[in-house]
Amino acid sequence: DAGVIQSPRHEVTEMGQEVTLRCKPISGHNSLFWYRQTMMRGLELLIYFNNNVPIDDSGMPEDRFSAKMPNASFSTLKIQPSEPRDSAVYFCASSPTGSIYNEQFFGPGTRLTVL
Amino acid sequence: RKEVEQDPGPFNVPEGATVAFNCTYSNSASQSFFWYRQDCRKEPKLLMSVYSSGNEDGRFTAQLNRASQYISLLIRDSKLSDSATYLCVVNWGNAGNMLTFGGGTRLMVKP
Repeated sequence: DAGVIQSPRHEVTEMGQEVTLRCKPISGHNSLFWYRQTMMRGLELLIYFNNNVPIDDSGMPEDRFSAKMPNASFSTLKIQPSEPRDSAVYFCASSPTGSIYNEQFFGPGTRLTVL
Repeated sequence: RKEVEQDPGPFNVPEGATVAFNCTYSNSASQSFFWYRQDCRKEPKLLMSVYSSGNEDGRFTAQLNRASQYISLLIRDSKLSDSATYLCVVNWGNAGNMLTFGGGTRLMVKP
């Protein structure tokens, strides 16, 4: 079975450019999460969707970040314009339901470097 | 104060040793608890859930102390393959399946 799929796996861009990260959750999962991981701040939740609807985006750093989930099988995280401090590994995760006891399944991550 | 705190380590132990990690959480209303494992340059994966009565999975034992708001993970007979970062994870219960991750404890098992 395919797990969570993320693309690209690596992205190197220059400051000021737009970056779009993509995620395909596990089929049948209703919840989707975007995380950012850095050495300094660890793993931080950016935004959480349930049934394609954003439930909590309080972790989104600022207006430069936006996320969409147009359907149950696809989500994007966009950074515009990108800055060097956005350099991090971005993970997408999905979960079968919104239950507090459910495991979250993570994708392999996108390693973003902003020069 | 961080919401979920862990000793970052690293814990360097020889093969066969027993090692324990603790984690404290700040929200007394927390509902569910987990340990995730993250290998170097890989994604986190669920190791085990933590139940109020404590639970065991092979060489791994997890304990929860709600009164003191801490969670522990005990690894017996450490293997080289146990080398990883162990993330303590808490669900506050306020909005579905949102999780808060600790900073992780790094374990290195040496031959």
